[in-house]
Amino acid sequence: AQSVTQPDIHITVSEGASLELRCNYSYGATPYLFWYVQSPGQGLQLLLKYFSGDTLVQGIKGFEAEFKRSQSSFNLRKPSVHWSDAAEYFCAVGPRGTGNQFYFGTGTSLTVIP
Amino acid sequence: ETGVTQSPTHLIKTRGQQVTLRCSSQSGHNTVSWYQQALGQGPQFIFQYYREEENGRGNFPPRFSGLQFPNYSSELNVNALELDDSALYLCASSLAGGPSEQFFGPGTRLTVL
Repeated sequence: AQSVTQPDIHITVSEGASLELRCNYSYGATPYLFWYVQSPGQGLQLLLKYFSGDTLVQGIKGFEAEFKRSQSSFNLRKPSVHWSDAAEYFCAVGPRGTGNQFYFGTGTSLTVIP
Repeated sequence: ETGVTQSPTHLIKTRGQQVTLRCSSQSGHNTVSWYQQALGQGPQFIFQYYREEENGRGNFPPRFSGLQFPNYSSELNVNALELDDSALYLCASSLAGGPSEQFFGPGTRLTVL
């Protein structure tokens, strides 16, 4: 069955510390991959995307993600977290050949402590 | 460039009623997708519209229906509301024809009492 898994429901990091949020997917072929961020009561903002090519992609707000085909993973990283990064983070996949129909993980809630 | 807009922002209905939510796509985008996000969950794909026709549907019953208009705006209609329909409903627009990111609106918060 197709699935997107974000194993960490909630993560707490200190401001200035590094961050890694995990995402694993299960699909027949490599899908398109995305990370979105959602602040309370808000819609989703795209952080970065992977379609093909270089497996390390850069996004906005200093975020990056690495696609690892062998592990079916697309983990999100940031070297130094800011208090404003506190939010809900969602990994999404868009299976190739199905237009732009996205499937989301259950999200990881990030708390940043001063 | 105008982003994705949704109306209303909040809505309260009672069980059995019907509701219509509206979405205006980002300028130049011809595809609209609708998602339901229950509290504490990720968005769940409801359906997608392209060229005024449904172009894919998730695991939602027929009482969830939609429309897309010639200007690419869209409506989501839900009949016979149930308590479990309480959620944030998100609209996203994109360009058809290849890999494309989706741009999301701020959502409509629906509460069913």
